[in-house]
Amino acid sequence: EAQVTQNPRYLITVTGKKLTVTCSQNMNHEYMSWYRQDPGLGLRQIYYSMNVEVTDKGDVPEGYKVSRKEKRNFPLILESPSPNQTSLYFCASSFAGFNQPQHFGDGTRLSIL
Amino acid sequence: DAKTTQPNSMESNEEEPVHLPCNHSTISGTDYIHWYRQLPSQGPEYVIHGLTSNVNNRMASLAIAEDRKSSTLILHRATLRDAAVYYCILPGSGNTGKLIFGQGTTLQVKP
Repeated sequence: EAQVTQNPRYLITVTGKKLTVTCSQNMNHEYMSWYRQDPGLGLRQIYYSMNVEVTDKGDVPEGYKVSRKEKRNFPLILESPSPNQTSLYFCASSFAGFNQPQHFGDGTRLSIL
Repeated sequence: DAKTTQPNSMESNEEEPVHLPCNHSTISGTDYIHWYRQLPSQGPEYVIHGLTSNVNNRMASLAIAEDRKSSTLILHRATLRDAAVYYCILPGSGNTGKLIFGQGTTLQVKP
């Protein structure tokens, strides 16, 4: 089954403790991206990747890092999480970023205390 | 980035057609119009997209105005499982693949 898998689905942690949210897709998609969803603000893009070893900032990249060492994986790294990063995170992928249907994961709910 | 405007909420009866409107008066000539929906506790799900002419797929139809400043997503027979937030989306500028999500339309389907 074609899917985008995120782990963990839920995480409660404390300020400053490094964490990684993994994202994996099994569709051989070149394009992957991360969004965060906050009440009243909708979904906002954090980072995106057009292909392996190519990443770029979205609208809200501060406090986040990503890597794209292989096509299927696109982890989101919070080196020193803070409470304002408490949010619902979604990973998405598509064959190409531009005007292609994007497939989203089921989300990761992060709570930073 | 071009913006879209949708009603905050709409209601429909089960098994009746639903027309979800969207205004996008600042759309550029090469922007595709995308529709996604988000069911409770799930990620956004692709519904349909198009450029100029009307589009159909197994989920819905997309009717695009001739001037492309508005479009309508048509669900031909609403079911209870279609209750979701529906987003009309234009791509962000700069060919980044970014989707600009607004607040969307919350669709309630009554049995």
